Amino acid sequence: QVQLVQSGAEVKKPGASVKVSCKASGYTFTSYDINWVRQATGQGLEWMGWMNPNSGNTGYAQKFQGRVTITRNTSISTAYMELSSLRSEDTAVYYCARARRLGRGYWFDPWGQGTLVTVSS
Amino acid sequence: QSVLTQPPSASGTPGQRVTISCSGSSSNIGSNTVNWYQQLPGTAPKLLIYSNNQRPSGVPDRFSGSKSGTSASLAISGLQSEDEADYYCAAWDDSLKKVVFGGGTKLTVL
Repeated sequence: QVQLVQSGAEVKKPGASVKVSCKASGYTFTSYDINWVRQATGQGLEWMGWMNPNSGNTGYAQKFQGRVTITRNTSISTAYMELSSLRSEDTAVYYCARARRLGRGYWFDPWGQGTLVTVSS
Repeated sequence: QSVLTQPPSASGTPGQRVTISCSGSSSNIGSNTVNWYQQLPGTAPKLLIYSNNQRPSGVPDRFSGSKSGTSASLAISGLQSEDEADYYCAAWDDSLKKVVFGGGTKLTVL
């Protein structure tokens, strides 16, 4: 079955960087965009950016421009999200999700299980 | 402040029908299709409705979606205790060039 499995929880100090992985299985990795969404504790969902695994093209929310980088390794069907200059407000669960596109629609299915990133001194 | 507006909470008794609204603008809901996600406590979001009113396989037909102009709604009929979750609407925003979400609606089954 289609599945996205993310790396484990991370604890980082302010100013550091974190790199979260997302391994895809059950489908052709290069055929669907991968998106990243985060959720602070008790808060809603916040979209961070997307990547086309075939071309490597990316797009980021303006809020994260300059701090986030989404990459991939097609040989192991894995996408990565790196966030730099971490601050306490970046403490959240980070999700990867496979995107489907049809006409004017763009939706996420499935989602990874989430990776908790805690930023604390 | 979320770009899409949802009521923070909704509730109903088992067997009832509840609806959750999602209000946007011409650059998001008015131009693109709406998706709904269900997030059960402590779990990742799950796709519930895509392209305004389409259900992925495995989603019960108790769940339905609709869209009119710059607003959308999710209806849940025959409410069950396992429907207690957070529900999020989402759409692509042509002006912001990003996916925008509603703030989420916490559904309580009384």
